[in-house]
Amino acid sequence: NAGVTQTPKFRVLKTGQSMTLLCAQDMNHEYMYWYRQDPGMGLRLIHYSVGEGTTAKGEVPDGYNVSRLKKQNFLLGLESAAPSQTSVYFCASTLSGSSYNEQFFGPGTRLTVL
Amino acid sequence: DAKTTQPTSMDCAEGRAANLPCNHSTISGNEYVYWYRQIHSQGPQYIIHGLKNNETNEMASLIITEDRKSSTLILPHATLRDTAVYYCIVRAPNTNAGKSTFGDGTTLTVKP
Repeated sequence: NAGVTQTPKFRVLKTGQSMTLLCAQDMNHEYMYWYRQDPGMGLRLIHYSVGEGTTAKGEVPDGYNVSRLKKQNFLLGLESAAPSQTSVYFCASTLSGSSYNEQFFGPGTRLTVL
Repeated sequence: DAKTTQPTSMDCAEGRAANLPCNHSTISGNEYVYWYRQIHSQGPQYIIHGLKNNETNEMASLIITEDRKSSTLILPHATLRDTAVYYCIVRAPNTNAGKSTFGDGTTLTVKP
């Protein structure tokens, strides 16, 4: 099993450009999450999905959109990138939403917006 | 979810036990204590979790006080590769695991 993978690993954007980050998991997990982590800080939840075709807002959803068309994939979109969105983005998944389930994280995508 | 308090940083000598404390004085009776760690530039990694009994796995031991207001993660023989930020999280069953808050954690530095 590859676990949770993220594409791309690095990206540099100019202000106003758009892009999509892809998260894929091969563990048949129901729940998937997108977080951002700014330097020296903890993780903040952007959006999450409790199953195929469903998404919900997290703590910091503004400026981002998501889609979960297939169970194994969770896409994070930036329609008009801003310098404030420079961060490391982590995707995670869990078997279900139960507190008993550990989260599996991807390796991260490092995004710089100039 | 209950709030947790951890020291900002700790040092440990290689080969010695690393004891990382976490205070969760407002923990509810049904909330579990989870530990994750994040090695530099990588995604967080699950370590261990427990309710009230002490727990041990291949990575670490978790000691929870009888009143459950604090806990200690123990890495029995720390190596240089254990240098990381360690997060203590408290959450209740049947709550969305992804909505738990990862705070600032404890930066553990293992020194040769």
